[in-house]
Amino acid sequence: EDQVTQSPEALRLQEGESSSLNCSYTVSGLRGLFWYRQDPGKGPEFLFTLYSAGEEKEKERLKATLTKKESFLHITAPKPEDSATYLCAVQAWDSGAGSYQLTFGKGTKLSVIP
Amino acid sequence: KAGVTQTPRYLIKTRGQQVTLSCSPISGHRSVSWYQQTPGQGLQFLFEYFSETQRNKGNFPGRFSGRQFSNSRSEMNVSTLELGDSALYLCASSRGQIQETQYFGPGTRLLVL
Repeated sequence: EDQVTQSPEALRLQEGESSSLNCSYTVSGLRGLFWYRQDPGKGPEFLFTLYSAGEEKEKERLKATLTKKESFLHITAPKPEDSATYLCAVQAWDSGAGSYQLTFGKGTKLSVIP
Repeated sequence: KAGVTQTPRYLIKTRGQQVTLSCSPISGHRSVSWYQQTPGQGLQFLFEYFSETQRNKGNFPGRFSGRQFSNSRSEMNVSTLELGDSALYLCASSRGQIQETQYFGPGTRLLVL
């Protein structure tokens, strides 16, 4: 069964303290890996899509990277407004369903303290 | 460009009742997917509709059903509500091709008493 595991479950950082969030996956036939940010009581907000190992994407203080087994979301010099839950999702062929499925990890809750 | 909209935003129902949730996708998007989000299970896929046809289905009981209209708007219905159905229900739209990004609405918070 396909699995997407995010670590850590929760992370507290001081403002300006850089760190990385991890998303590891065990799927065959990866078609895409997606990162979302979700604020409390709101729907996930799209951040990045990565399609192949070695690919990197950046947006402001965030940088996403992808290997054959995992993806990292690097946060450089975070600010309190970066506090949110970060979700990763993997799109891959599900032989049981006979279709491409998007499977989400349970997220990493990031808190940035001023 | 307007985003994905969902109505209602909040809903309180009692066990045994049924509920219908609505989702309007981004203009031009033909695919609508529905997800259930709970603290314990995270985001779980319910089903996807594309051009008025159910294209994918997750592992939920038959009490959960949906449909899509010719204008791509979608509705999700849950019959015989159970306490465990309390969750945030999210819909997401995309143009419908593989590898396309899904864009989420704000969700409908359902509380079953």
